[in-house]
Amino acid sequence: KAGVTQTPRYLIKTRGQQVTLSCSPISGHRSVSWYQQTPGQGLQFLFEYFSETQRNKGNFPGRFSGRQFSNSRSEMNVSTLELGDSALYLCASSLVGQGANYGYTFGSGTRLTVV
Amino acid sequence: DAKTTQPNSMESNEEEPVHLPCNHSTISGTDYIHWYRQLPSQGPEYVIHGLTSNVNNRMASLAIAEDRKSSTLILHRATLRDAAVYYCILRDMEYGNKLVFGAGTILRVKS
Repeated sequence: KAGVTQTPRYLIKTRGQQVTLSCSPISGHRSVSWYQQTPGQGLQFLFEYFSETQRNKGNFPGRFSGRQFSNSRSEMNVSTLELGDSALYLCASSLVGQGANYGYTFGSGTRLTVV
Repeated sequence: DAKTTQPNSMESNEEEPVHLPCNHSTISGTDYIHWYRQLPSQGPEYVIHGLTSNVNNRMASLAIAEDRKSSTLILHRATLRDAAVYYCILRDMEYGNKLVFGAGTILRVKS
């Protein structure tokens, strides 16, 4: 069975631009979460979507946004890119949207470099 | 969010068991204990989770202290492919929609 697919794998953008990253969860998984990983801050939660609704949000500025489609695929958008947004962006999907008795499956991430 | 404490790094010899400790003294009754690992250049990978009883799966075993304030991830025979960062995470049963990662433990496996 296919895993969590993130596209693109690598991306280089210029400061001030915006970027959209895509995530296709495992079939049947309706919960999709996004994380940012940097050497300085480690893995940080961005937001979580379930049934097209954002159910939880991390402590990131409004430049970071996301959405989920009816087929559970999700996108995240970062506007007005800053150098500090350079990071590995990871998407994770889960079988159910709430309850802690399930593990998350992560994708391999999108490596974003802002120059 | 409940916090966990793990050693920064550990070293093991190949083919030997590895015991990775985690302290979570502020754990609540509804917190599940989850373990993930991240291999170089990959996203985190789910390893195991438990609530109160010890758990076993094909990857590892999880031993949970009776007072639940600590737990140990056990890799029965470490291989070079087990070299990774291991994260111990507490997830609330009702609001477990996010994972709060700490710094984790870097496991080095020597051949």
